Amino acid sequence: TQLLEQSPQFLSIQEGENLTVYCNSSSVFSSLQWYRQEPGEGPVLLVTVVTGGEVKKLKRLTFQFGDARKDSSLHITAAQPGDTGLYLCAGPSGGSQGNLIFGKGTKLSVKP
Amino acid sequence: DVKVTQSSRYLVKRTGEKVFLECVQDMDHENMFWYRQDPGLGLRLIYFSYDVKMKEKGDIPEGYSVSREKKERFSLILESASTNQTSMYLCASSLIGTDYEQYFGPGTRLTVT
Repeated sequence: TQLLEQSPQFLSIQEGENLTVYCNSSSVFSSLQWYRQEPGEGPVLLVTVVTGGEVKKLKRLTFQFGDARKDSSLHITAAQPGDTGLYLCAGPSGGSQGNLIFGKGTKLSVKP
Repeated sequence: DVKVTQSSRYLVKRTGEKVFLECVQDMDHENMFWYRQDPGLGLRLIYFSYDVKMKEKGDIPEGYSVSREKKERFSLILESASTNQTSMYLCASSLIGTDYEQYFGPGTRLTVT
């Protein structure tokens, strides 16, 4: 069974700090996605990484896909209160119908 | 931009009632999904559909059914609501062959009393 484990589960930091959250698996994924979910809202897709070793940047957010395509990280530089939310990673479940498996997420709180 | 809408943001129902949750997407996506999200359990797939009138069970289909009569609309039905179905329900859609990227609606917070 494919699993995606995210760490840490919770993170509370001050505005301006840097942070990294992780998404790990023992399985190889053809791609991984990151979503951000604000309280009371649905997840919003941030990025998809598809090539081992790939790095993608989205303003202050840097996403990396591991060389072996079993893990990914999200680094936020100079976090702001607007970054607060639940960060989910997801990858194809192996079926043919577009299903994803999701990690349980990292809940980030950035205090002003 | 893909837009996925859900019929209600908040819903309160009584035990035993039949509950309908509707989801509409405007981007001609083939795939549609229903999840529930609970603290500590993450997102769990209830049902999905990859074509009109097609449906497949996800990980937790018990107590739920679905209907997809039109490509843009996917309904989740709770046949007889129970308190353990109190949850956040999320609908999503995706296009075949796009690295499985899913687009979510805003969610429906359902409380069953």
